[in-house]
Amino acid sequence: NAGVTQTPKFQVLKTGQSMTLQCAQDMNHNSMYWYRQDPGMGLRLIYYSASEGTTDKGEVPNGYNVSRLNKREFSLRLESAAPSQTSVYFCASSEAMTGFDQPQHFGDGTRLSIL
Amino acid sequence: AQSVAQPEDQVNVAEGNPLTVKCTYSVSGNPYLFWYVQYPNRGLQFLLKYITGDNLVKGSYGFEAEFNKSQTSFHLKKPSALVSDSALYFCAVRDGSNYQLIWGAGTKLIIKP
Repeated sequence: NAGVTQTPKFQVLKTGQSMTLQCAQDMNHNSMYWYRQDPGMGLRLIYYSASEGTTDKGEVPNGYNVSRLNKREFSLRLESAAPSQTSVYFCASSEAMTGFDQPQHFGDGTRLSIL
Repeated sequence: AQSVAQPEDQVNVAEGNPLTVKCTYSVSGNPYLFWYVQYPNRGLQFLLKYITGDNLVKGSYGFEAEFNKSQTSFHLKKPSALVSDSALYFCAVRDGSNYQLIWGAGTKLIIKP
């Protein structure tokens, strides 16, 4: 069972460069999420997609864009990377966002450093 | 506004002893509460949840959590700690009007042999 797969696992960028983080899930989940994790701050939601064809801003969307390519895939793009975006990025999915008791399933993260 | 607090950055427990990782929350409606565990260089894994009903919830790996409505707490517990329980633990909450999970800052649990 692959679950949620994120690529790449590690990336180093220079300030101003752009890149796309990829995420795919094979659990037929409707909802997908992008989080960033910084030491001592827990998880902060960047963007989410409640269902295929919809995306919405989370707590910290500035500097990011997303695309829900299809039901399986949800990508996160940094158009012009800044050192403040150095973080570990996690993609997650759940059956449906409207299901309040449904847990989220996480990928293993992308460790991104911006120099 | 919804919020979650994990008052301890780190908890140290000897192997074989009981462990408790604390979580308190604030929501406007009925809470939906979750515990997740994160091992080094891995994503978060779901441990257990409280939705309604019995205040003592059992989850994966022998963990359980006690919901206390009057104290707005949802503490994670295990009767006998294992070295392999060493990890980062996150509490999360939502209420019935908000689809987004609100996450605590995490508690590092260290189990010493």
